[in-house]
Amino acid sequence: AQSVTQPDIHITVSEGASLELRCNYSYGATPYLFWYVQSPGQGLQLLLKYFSGDTLVQGIKGFEAEFKRSQSSFNLRKPSVQWSDTAEYFCALGGSQGNLIFGKGTKLSVKP
Amino acid sequence: DTGVSQDPRHKITKRGQNVTFRCDPISEHNRLYWYRQTLGQGPEFLTYFQNEAQLEKSRLLSDRFSAERPKGSFSTLEIQRTEQGDSAMYLCASSLTPYYEQYFGPGTRLTVT
Repeated sequence: AQSVTQPDIHITVSEGASLELRCNYSYGATPYLFWYVQSPGQGLQLLLKYFSGDTLVQGIKGFEAEFKRSQSSFNLRKPSVQWSDTAEYFCALGGSQGNLIFGKGTKLSVKP
Repeated sequence: DTGVSQDPRHKITKRGQNVTFRCDPISEHNRLYWYRQTLGQGPEFLTYFQNEAQLEKSRLLSDRFSAERPKGSFSTLEIQRTEQGDSAMYLCASSLTPYYEQYFGPGTRLTVT
């Protein structure tokens, strides 16, 4: 079955610190993978996507993610977080029905 | 490109009433998706359209739910005889085939009292 797991429910980091949000997926074929961000009261904004090719993908707002097939992971990273990065982050897998399968999300709090 | 819009943004209704939500996708996008998001969960897929054809429906979409996309433009999601368990954020997204990335609207928050 296709699924996405985000092991961390809530992470708190200080402004300027580095960040890594974990995402593991379950899918038999080559996955299409996405990271979205949701600020309070807002819809989901696409940060980056992986379809094929280079396993390190760059996104908006200084985020990047690395696809590791051997670990079934697609972790999101940022070298130096800002207070404005406080939000909820969702990892998603392209499903066989054309839909997206989301993880439960990780809430990020950035301390100023 | 004005993005995906949804109306209303908030809806409070009494149990047993019918509600209808509207979604306007990005104009050139031929795929339109509906998702439901409850507190502490990621969005869950409900259904999607390619142009005016409804191609997939999740098991979450009970008989009380119906969606339409006349003429392949905007879409409506109707919930009949609402129940308290229907309280959630209803998200609409659109995409352009063959691309997989979906662009989301701000959502409609439904509260059933």
